Amino acid sequence: AAGVIQSPRHLIKEKRETATLKCYPIPRHDTVYWYQQGPGQDPQFLISFYEKMQSDKGSIPDRFSAQQFSDYHSELNMSSLELGDSALYFCASSHDRGWTGELFFGEGSRLTVL
Amino acid sequence: AQSVTQLDSQVPVFEEAPVELRCNYSSSVSVYLFWYVQYPNQGLQLLLKYLSGSTLVKGINGFEAEFNKSQTSFHLRKPSVHISDTAEYFCAVSLRSSGDKLTFGTGTRLAVRP
Repeated sequence: AAGVIQSPRHLIKEKRETATLKCYPIPRHDTVYWYQQGPGQDPQFLISFYEKMQSDKGSIPDRFSAQQFSDYHSELNMSSLELGDSALYFCASSHDRGWTGELFFGEGSRLTVL
Repeated sequence: AQSVTQLDSQVPVFEEAPVELRCNYSSSVSVYLFWYVQYPNQGLQLLLKYLSGSTLVKGINGFEAEFNKSQTSFHLRKPSVHISDTAEYFCAVSLRSSGDKLTFGTGTRLAVRP
């Protein structure tokens, strides 16, 4: 079965640079979530989109922005990168109809800021 | 807002011994409850979930969990662990409303020793 696809899987950037992470949800899933997991920490919710509109917002820095496109894929844009942005970024998707609360996670994109 | 507490940050156990990973939640409304497992350098995989009905739920890899409403707990158990169960385990909750995000606990590292 198709899963959530994230790219790139690994990314290395310098401080103050910009990074873009992409997420392709499971087909027919209309909701996308972004999470940030720092080293040894639990995943922290950043932001979510439903039908291309922002549906919820968590602890996402102002330097970050995200959007969901017409094909339901989503991109997380991170600017003015800081060392503390080094983390594993997860994307998850779900389907609104028949909601069961389960989120399907991708393998994550590991961002390293030097 | 809902929250999750995992009291044990690490649980060391010998192979073939039973294990219980504790999870307590706090919410003013009904929630869905989940356990996710994260193997080293991998994404989050759903172990099991409680939505409604029987309070004892069985998941993959021989794990089970019991929902206790009066104690607001959802402890994860396995009668006999294997070395391959060594991983980080996250308890999570979501509201019973469509498209709600998951809120994770801080995780419990299960370390199985031979």
